[in-house]
Amino acid sequence: QKEVEQNSGPLSVPEGAIASLNCTYSDRGSQSFFWYRQYSGKSPELIMFIYSNGDKEDGRFTAQLNKASQYVSLLIRDSQPSDSATYLCAVPGGYSSASKIIFGSGTRLSIRP
Amino acid sequence: GAVVSQHPSWVICKSGTSVKIECRSLDFQATTMFWYRQFPKQSLMLMATSNEGSKATYEQGVEKDKFLINHASLTLSTLTVTSAHPEDSSFYICSASLGLAGGVTGELFFGEGSRLTVL
Repeated sequence: QKEVEQNSGPLSVPEGAIASLNCTYSDRGSQSFFWYRQYSGKSPELIMFIYSNGDKEDGRFTAQLNKASQYVSLLIRDSQPSDSATYLCAVPGGYSSASKIIFGSGTRLSIRP
Repeated sequence: GAVVSQHPSWVICKSGTSVKIECRSLDFQATTMFWYRQFPKQSLMLMATSNEGSKATYEQGVEKDKFLINHASLTLSTLTVTSAHPEDSSFYICSASLGLAGGVTGELFFGEGSRLTVL
């Protein structure tokens, strides 16, 4: 059974600072990794995915993957109050459309003005 | 990206009644859809995997006779909460994936969610 672990938080970060969210996964064979953002009362939305070791940048967001350590992180630069949400790390359970996505329990991020 | 639409977005019902929630893939065919439940301030919990033309696969602890899933077409899956009770009040979310083949990312596309309140 694949597992994805996240610190539940809450993580409080001052506005303008860098928020760092971390995730570890159990299956060394996992190939792709996703970060979803979920605002309170809303469905999750995909903000980043990463396949390769190293960093992937998209605007203020950077995903970092270290397969040797089975560790994936999400950095949010210049944090804004609108970034306050729960961030879910996820790993596909397989490669078909019928494969479950394994979610972590999520980290609540709060950006304080 | 692919679009998944869910209806209704919120529903209030009396205890003992049944409620149906629809999930549609608008611009792609989804042979598989996933139903999640989320209680306040808790994480997503996968309830079942809905398979077009066959029986749904339920996660451990989820009552299949209470949460009826029908996936009669490639674009529509429904979840019926039968004989609803206040403890069934929750946020129900459906989703679908295009898989990881052919350059597709494997991400999940979520519906807007349906908030059920059972009085």
